[in-house]
Amino acid sequence: DGGITQSPKYLFRKEGQNVTLSCEQNLNHDAMYWYRQDPGQGLRLIYYSQIVNDFQKGDIAEGYSVSREKKESFPLTVTSAQKNPTAFYLCASRGGNFNEQFFGPGTRLTVL
Amino acid sequence: EDQVTQSPEALRLQEGESSSLNCSYTVSGLRGLFWYRQDPGKGPEFLFTLYSAGEEKEKERLKATLTKKESFLHITAPKPEDSATYLCAVPTNVNFGNEKLTFGTGTRLTIIP
Repeated sequence: DGGITQSPKYLFRKEGQNVTLSCEQNLNHDAMYWYRQDPGQGLRLIYYSQIVNDFQKGDIAEGYSVSREKKESFPLTVTSAQKNPTAFYLCASRGGNFNEQFFGPGTRLTVL
Repeated sequence: EDQVTQSPEALRLQEGESSSLNCSYTVSGLRGLFWYRQDPGKGPEFLFTLYSAGEEKEKERLKATLTKKESFLHITAPKPEDSATYLCAVPTNVNFGNEKLTFGTGTRLTIIP
C-alpha cells in the first residue's frame, strides 16, 4: 500500500526543546517537501529536497533543519530557534501521472 | 511574485444547492494548476490538475475549469460529505529545475443537510 506516513500525529514540546518530525514515503519519489499550515494561511514551504543528500530552504526555513540521507525519508527538526512553532506540519512527495504532490496525514505540534 | 487568491473564504450551502469556488492566480508562465481537498486535521488530497485555458476535468459532483487568469471548482448538487476545505495551488520553478507549489488560503465549504 503506497503512501506517505508521518509520525507522531500529535507532538507536545516544551520551550527550548528541539523536536524531530518523521516523514517516510514508499512511492519511490525523488522530490520531498515540508510545509507548515496555520489557521487562515495557505501552506507555506519550509524545506524541499529534489534528491538524496541535497535539500534547499523554502520560504520560512528559519528555525528548522532537515536531512535527506535516504530516498524514502525526510525528517524535519524544529529547533528552539523557531519562535512560533505551534502549527500543523505536512510532508509531501512529488510524482504521479500529473506530477502532483502527495501529502501525508500531518503532525500537529504544540508548544507548552 | 507568484500569487494565488481563493474566494470566498467560506461558503455554506444547502444540500443539493450548486455553486462555484474561485481561484485566481498571478504567475509568470503557468505550468499547471492543482486542486486539493482537505478534511479537518488531515493532509490535502489531490483532486485535479489543469494545464491549459479551456481545459475541464470532472470527478463525481466536482468539475474544475481553467481560464488564463483563474480556475473554478464547480460543485453540482453537493452532499454533506463534500464538506471540506478546497485548496488550489500553482507550481513555481525556484532554481535549477526545482519546483515548489504556491497555495491559496482555501475555501471552507459546508454542506447543510
